[in-house]
Amino acid sequence: SQQGEEDPQALSIQEGENATMNCSYKTSINNLQWYRQNSGRGLVHLILIRSNEREKHSGRLRVTLDTSKKSSSLLITASRAADTASYFCATVNNQGGKLIFGQGTELSVKP
Amino acid sequence: SAVISQKPSRDICQRGTSLTIQCQVDSQVTMMFWYRQQPGQSLTLIATANQGSEATYESGFVIDKFPISRPNLTFSTLTVSNLSPEDSSIYLCSIRTYEQYFGPGTRLTVT
Repeated sequence: SQQGEEDPQALSIQEGENATMNCSYKTSINNLQWYRQNSGRGLVHLILIRSNEREKHSGRLRVTLDTSKKSSSLLITASRAADTASYFCATVNNQGGKLIFGQGTELSVKP
Repeated sequence: SAVISQKPSRDICQRGTSLTIQCQVDSQVTMMFWYRQQPGQSLTLIATANQGSEATYESGFVIDKFPISRPNLTFSTLTVSNLSPEDSSIYLCSIRTYEQYFGPGTRLTVT
């Protein structure tokens, strides 16, 4: 079963713009992870944020976590055509430790 | 991060047959998982396969349909049995150290 929802389901922007994707989840979590998937290929791990962290950066990526609202956001700054992919959030809960995925956001960056 | 390989990378199988997917990791890991990604969908956890114990299946997945072996800390197999067109998906193995990583996937098409 899916943990939550991602918003928007699809996002189309121009190269150079920022892209923001949101993720909501339902249960208490240990951590939240973001992944990228290019065109039905394998998943690339982008970033992990722990439940006691509020913000994390990695290169052009910025992830925030609001445990009171059970939500997270992924910001990609200065997007490039190569950022075109599907982006998924996934959470590990405090009990079973299973990684459960959201529905994903399909990002299209136009050159 | 560990290197995860899967075999085969893709296959086309006839209805009623079975396909066994192999997952090899270049280091010893305790926790290994199998996921399914149906066309255009997010990832769904099939089962958790920890070495030395029986695989734990998620709701909607049964051992008769998806038998799993985990003979050691670097290897696992997933068999998809009695194939039907609805089994056409990408199947991914995954490991967890702290973050969770995924193999490149096996794309199965059932005709």
